[in-house]
Order: sequence, then structure tokens, then C-alpha cells
Amino acid sequence: SQELEQSPQSLIVQEGKNLTINCTSSKTLYGLYWYKQKYGEGLIFLMMLQKGGEEKSHEKITAKLDEKKQQSSLHITASQPSHAGIYLCGADPTGGGADGLTFGKGTHLIIQP
Amino acid sequence: DVKVTQSSRYLVKRTGEKVFLECVQDMDHENMFWYRQDPGLGLRLIYFSYDVKMKEKGDIPEGYSVSREKKERFSLILESASTNQTSMYLCASSSPRVFLYEQYFGPGTRLTVT
Repeated sequence: SQELEQSPQSLIVQEGKNLTINCTSSKTLYGLYWYKQKYGEGLIFLMMLQKGGEEKSHEKITAKLDEKKQQSSLHITASQPSHAGIYLCGADPTGGGADGLTFGKGTHLIIQP
Repeated sequence: DVKVTQSSRYLVKRTGEKVFLECVQDMDHENMFWYRQDPGLGLRLIYFSYDVKMKEKGDIPEGYSVSREKKERFSLILESASTNQTSMYLCASSSPRVFLYEQYFGPGTRLTVT
């Protein structure tokens, strides 16, 4: 079965600083999803990457998938308090799109003013 | 906007009770999912469904069952609740008609079994 390892587990960053969260898969990724979760709430979709070398951006968040499709990174530029929460990477284990996702354990992000 | 709703945000039940967690989506999605989320373990898939009356076991189905009688509704059933089922339960839906098969999540139900 596929396993996703996220690093770091937690991160405290001063407001305005940049940060990176990594997600490494034990198998080739067919599709890699990034979600954000505010504490005690549901998940909000950020981005999905499919192709090796792909990079997507939304506002100040950029996600990349490496060429070998086994590692993804999420980069936040000029962090703000609204970026605080839990970031989760999820993988589609079969590539079919209809099965459940396998998730990493999440990265807790705290933004210090 | 796609909306996935869950019947309760917080629920407290006693050991041995039968518990129903309800999930409704309003976007005519074919696929629905139930996950549980625990500290240190992350999100784990319990059951999912491709269509009405269809169900598939996820990674941790033991102690749970599901029901999908209508396309928009997917219920998670704890036949006899136990304390180790205290957790955050998240429902999600998706469709092959939605680009990238994005899964839309509900707000979650925090279940405490005492």
C-alpha cells in the first residue's frame, strides 16, 4: 500500500517569512492533492498535481511535483496569519480517481505575529 | 458551490450504543467517502461508495458499516460504539465529471464515546 510521509510535522514561522512543507511517497504518484484544514473543521482543497515536474500556484501558495513523481513540496511566500492550520497531502493510490485518498499525517503550521 | 453537510458537529454516545452519522451532498456526485482522523494517525479511509447501494471497504472498516440508499446521502453506522471509535469523522464526495476528481469535504463530526 502507498504511504505518504510529510515533513516537518509542525512548523512555527514568523509572519512574513517563507516556508516549505514536503510530502514523500513510497510509490509513484498518479495524482497528488494538497488540502488545508483549520483546526476542528473539514478540509479545503488547495491544488492537485499529476505530471512530473508540474508546478501550480494560487495566491501565495506554490506546489510542485518532482520529475520522478514521488515527492511534492508546498511553498508559502510571505506567510500570513490566515495561512495557519494543518496542511495535508493526499495521494490517489490507483490513478482511477474514484477511490479514497491516502493521506499523510499532516503538517501543523503556526504563524507568529 | 458544492456543499457537503454532516448531521452533527459534535456527538457524545455511550459504549454499546448504535450510532448513525449522516452525510449529504448537493452536487449529484457519484462517489462518497467516510474517513476518520486521529492525532498521530492522520486521515484513514473507512468506507466508500461508487453509486447507490454500492459500497467498498477502505483501510479500516472493522466496527463500521455504511448505507447508501440515495445518491446524495451516505450514512456511517457504528453498530456498537466503543471508546476506540472516539474520533473526528469526515465525509467527502467526488465525481468523474469534476476536473481532477477533487474530493469535497464536509465540516466533520467529532464523536466521543464514553
